[in-house]
Amino acid sequence: GEDVEQSLFLSVREGDSSVINCTYTDSSSTYLYWYKQEPGAGLQLLTYIFSNMDMKQDQRLTVLLNKKDKHLSLRIADTQTGDSAIYFCAERGAKLSFGAGTTVTVRA
Amino acid sequence: EAQVTQNPRYLITVTGKKLTVTCSQNMNHEYMSWYRQDPGLGLRQIYYSMNVEVTDKGDVPEGYKVSRKEKRNFPLILESPSPNQTSLYFCASSLFSSGSGGEQFFGPGTRLTVL
Repeated sequence: GEDVEQSLFLSVREGDSSVINCTYTDSSSTYLYWYKQEPGAGLQLLTYIFSNMDMKQDQRLTVLLNKKDKHLSLRIADTQTGDSAIYFCAERGAKLSFGAGTTVTVRA
Repeated sequence: EAQVTQNPRYLITVTGKKLTVTCSQNMNHEYMSWYRQDPGLGLRQIYYSMNVEVTDKGDVPEGYKVSRKEKRNFPLILESPSPNQTSLYFCASSLFSSGSGGEQFFGPGTRLTVL
């Protein structure tokens, strides 16, 4: 949606780090989420961060939040072929709003 | 197994023929929602329900109806489908409408084609 913006495509070499960026507009956001959608499947929550945090790490995933700039990023370390998917940024303010999704393609 | 189920998974229909897509969750969630996913537009909310007999319009409600007679079920009704409703539809549920975590659990999706 227009309240949440993310780039549409990202191509990354296997073993490199991927960084997916997202910007949002609702300053009252309480939680920000990253969802993963594999082909033919629904969305699954990867991770989320509370708005009073600036970083969250979970194994290969690192979420960075710059609340001042309303910028959220997801870093995937050591990207694998199984990480190929569409990644959605979402923010919960007055409502839950999703970005258009970033299609990540991992090449050998 | 905790899950959200949708039926049918795939449907091809013709303009004007009423259809219903069912959604059911077994997690005792109060909040349920319908989204449509279109290329380049992400997920857009159609309708949501905060509890039994409580439903509200989302961002793109035109052409759709919903009902919430029981906590576990939240069917999406297209009274007179049109080709612009061709899309991938997702049902989702969560324990809270907002607040702690508020993770939404998504169904597997229903791919609808209206000819």
